[in-house]
Amino acid sequence: AQKVTQAQTEISVVEKEDVTLDCVYETRDTTYYLFWYKQPPSGELVFLIRRNSFDEQNEISGRYSWNFQKSTSSFNFTITASQVVDSAVYFCALSEAGRGYQKVTFGIGTKLQVIP
Amino acid sequence: GAGVSQTPSNKVTEKGKYVELRCDPISGHTALYWYRQSLGQGPEFLIYFQGTGAADDSGLPNDRFFAVRPEGSVSTLKIQRTERGDSAVYLCASSSSGRDEQFFGPGTRLTVL
Repeated sequence: AQKVTQAQTEISVVEKEDVTLDCVYETRDTTYYLFWYKQPPSGELVFLIRRNSFDEQNEISGRYSWNFQKSTSSFNFTITASQVVDSAVYFCALSEAGRGYQKVTFGIGTKLQVIP
Repeated sequence: GAGVSQTPSNKVTEKGKYVELRCDPISGHTALYWYRQSLGQGPEFLIYFQGTGAADDSGLPNDRFFAVRPEGSVSTLKIQRTERGDSAVYLCASSSSGRDEQFFGPGTRLTVL
């Protein structure tokens, strides 16, 4: 069975601070995908990133960066110089890569509030 | 439209009634997914369509839930004899193929009184 744990249910930071959202996953699959999604107050899920389990390189996209460590089954997400528009619920998620489709298992989400 | 659309945006019904929720995927997307998101939780997989067929319906909670996609485009999620526990946001997502990124719709908020 697959499981995604996001231990931080809510985080508050002051604008311009850096913040890291933690994600720990469990899977028996040898190949899998990891995801992060953003759900702003409007409710629509926004795709941020997908990583293949073969690729442990960290990734940076603007103010966003992701740290994938297979040894600790973690896929953490850092926002640098946070902004009020970053306020949202962030979901870490996992799917098996070998199915031919993505049956995604989501974590419970971390609610991030960025205070001006 | 450019994105996934879902109608209605909100649906209030009484316990025991039948409801239909509609999803219009992005044009040309062959893969379509339904998820259910309860308050304070992450989305949970319900069913996956590749074209017209339900390739994986393992997430449907019981036989009161059924989904169709007769022409390989629009999909309808049908819930019979609704229960208060069915109250949730029902999300639809589509992708160009099963392996590609899923694009989510805005969801239908279902409230069963």
